[in-house]
Amino acid sequence: QLQLQESGSGLVKPSQTLSLTCAVSGGSISSGGYSWSWIRQPPGKGLEWIGYIYHSGSTYYNPSLKSRVTISVDRSKNQFSLKLSSVTAADTAVYYCARMVATPPRSRFDYWGQGTLVTVSS
Amino acid sequence: DIQMTQSPSSLSASVGDRVTITCQASQDISNYLNWYQQKPGKAPKLLIYDASNLETGVPSRFSGSGSGTDFTFTISSLQPEDIATYYCQQYDNLLWITFGQGTRLEIK
Repeated sequence: QLQLQESGSGLVKPSQTLSLTCAVSGGSISSGGYSWSWIRQPPGKGLEWIGYIYHSGSTYYNPSLKSRVTISVDRSKNQFSLKLSSVTAADTAVYYCARMVATPPRSRFDYWGQGTLVTVSS
Repeated sequence: DIQMTQSPSSLSASVGDRVTITCQASQDISNYLNWYQQKPGKAPKLLIYDASNLETGVPSRFSGSGSGTDFTFTISSLQPEDIATYYCQQYDNLLWITFGQGTRLEIK
């Protein structure tokens, strides 16, 4: 059974960089046909897709966040990471990592991590 | 970007009721639509993919239909464990994935 687990700093100061890692177990992050994604949810609000990285290493980001987002993969550790720069209070959210079935044009988020709350505050 | 309009935003129904949620896309997205269930404090769970396909292990009382711009999610007989918020999600353009605003479902 595939499992994803987020980790990283739960408190980030304004203007700094948010960094999170998602450890994948029960399957290889290098498997074809999947991409690895980040999605966030501000407290009491809906879901916002941040971006994803294909098994090939290609990345795709939400245009509204693109200038501040970097998603990368560490295949040796079977994990992928999110960096979001120049954060403000509006970036306070629960951050989820998820596996996306990616057989274009078909796509769906079929496995999710439990989520981790990141608060932006001085 | 493609906007998803989900309705209603909240819904109260009785156990055994048939429940319907709709999602409307701002442009034709074929059947590139998924539905998720999110219980409080938990991650979303995939229920329906490609508009009408039931994810493995999901009870058959859940179903989805539609194509183009109008989609429907149905619970045929509401159970107490179905209390959650439900989201639609479009992926017509894999360069900009968007979710509906969510429908909070409560027991009457």
